[in-house]
Amino acid sequence: DSGVTQTPKHLITATGQRVTLRCSPRSGDLSVYWYQQSLDQGLQFLIQYYNGEERAKGNILERFSAQQFPDLHSELNLSSLELGDSALYFCASRRGDSGANVLTFGAGSRLTVL
Amino acid sequence: DAKTTQPNSMESNEEEPVHLPCNHSTISGTDYIHWYRQLPSQGPEYVIHGLTSNVNNRMASLAIAEDRKSSTLILHRATLRDAAVYYCILRDVRRYGGSQGNLIFGKGTKLSVKP
Repeated sequence: DSGVTQTPKHLITATGQRVTLRCSPRSGDLSVYWYQQSLDQGLQFLIQYYNGEERAKGNILERFSAQQFPDLHSELNLSSLELGDSALYFCASRRGDSGANVLTFGAGSRLTVL
Repeated sequence: DAKTTQPNSMESNEEEPVHLPCNHSTISGTDYIHWYRQLPSQGPEYVIHGLTSNVNNRMASLAIAEDRKSSTLILHRATLRDAAVYYCILRDVRRYGGSQGNLIFGKGTKLSVKP
């Protein structure tokens, strides 16, 4: 157990639907990162939050959004789902905002869009 | 960030040492070398990182070439549990933190361990 908790572990839904993935970072970690891993794209950075504020955006689609709440948990919202959104979504956390860039990853949420 | 080149796959025998190479010929003086691995059906896991000197921890050793254009992750005695995809990532120390803290993963090396 890495200390980063992601729910749900598995999710099956239909095209056009909307889902929310949740991440609880390790205790004391202020930064949260979201990554998408599909078979053909590998691990792609989506977005990062630090202490409630958005810090960096990667290859995140406009249909996707995220936020980090005051208790530091984060949610990734995926809407108007397409077949190509089927992937593993990983959340990672990091202690602070400087120093060695060691990320701790959760076990992931597997999304299947039918 | 500078790019890394790794073999797509490698094989090892159980209980033997494994040397996973990584080339990074365009590395800059402020790039840290990070290694992560991803076991099947799990999230990536931090292994080790270094800047110039060789590094050891409980999981592995990192040997960095004198010119820093290549590095090698060394697993001293491979176990079946070490079968994973190993990622070598460069990260500019000047960009640690804040908006530049994210890691960019490549394809990595898929390590198979035979009993």
